Amino acid sequence: GESVGLHLPTLSVQEGDNSIINCAYSNSASDYFIWYKQESGKGPQFIIDIRSNMDKRQGQRVTVLLNKTVKHLSLQIAATQPGDSAVYFCAEMPLMNSGYSTLTFGKGTMLLVSP
Amino acid sequence: DVKVTQSSRYLVKRTGEKVFLECVQDMDHENMFWYRQDPGLGLRLIYFSYDVKMKEKGDIPEGYSVSREKKERFSLILESASTNQTSMYLCASSPHSGDGFGNEQFFGPGTRLTVL
Repeated sequence: GESVGLHLPTLSVQEGDNSIINCAYSNSASDYFIWYKQESGKGPQFIIDIRSNMDKRQGQRVTVLLNKTVKHLSLQIAATQPGDSAVYFCAEMPLMNSGYSTLTFGKGTMLLVSP
Repeated sequence: DVKVTQSSRYLVKRTGEKVFLECVQDMDHENMFWYRQDPGLGLRLIYFSYDVKMKEKGDIPEGYSVSREKKERFSLILESASTNQTSMYLCASSPHSGDGFGNEQFFGPGTRLTVL
């Protein structure tokens, strides 16, 4: 069947390397950002999130960096493993001062890790 | 663990049929969402609901409707399926945010719908 990975930018790395996946967002009012990982045939899975009052947040082997000046978000994966091969999506959401806000997703980046 | 389940993983329907996609979450989340995912287009929001019997249009609601009669269940309805609705459909849920910042959405495994 069709893969969600078609037509996506692709990052190819060797096992053990560090990976950096970049995302440019468009809404200067966005205050919450999140990274998802989607493996073939599965729904997106949460990796890490960050609020606009931070510029860096670390998880297990992952770090998210936020630069609001240039509206740029990045996901760094340390010691990349074959199991990290997937499509990675960034998403943004403005602060919910009133009403309800929703996540806007980027198009995704495919990460290919070779042994 | 939060679990979001979708009624079918694969579905094949004919043009003009009425199609129901069901989604159930078990974490008492207030918010529920329906997306479709197409190659090169990413995830696009169809409808969402922030409470029982409440619904809001997303970015691409045309040709779809939704129903939220119970908190844990959110249904997507294609009144008359068309071939351009062939896609992967993803359901998600999230809790209300207490401080105005966004919250993680938890996704189901998806339903791949083919309309012939």
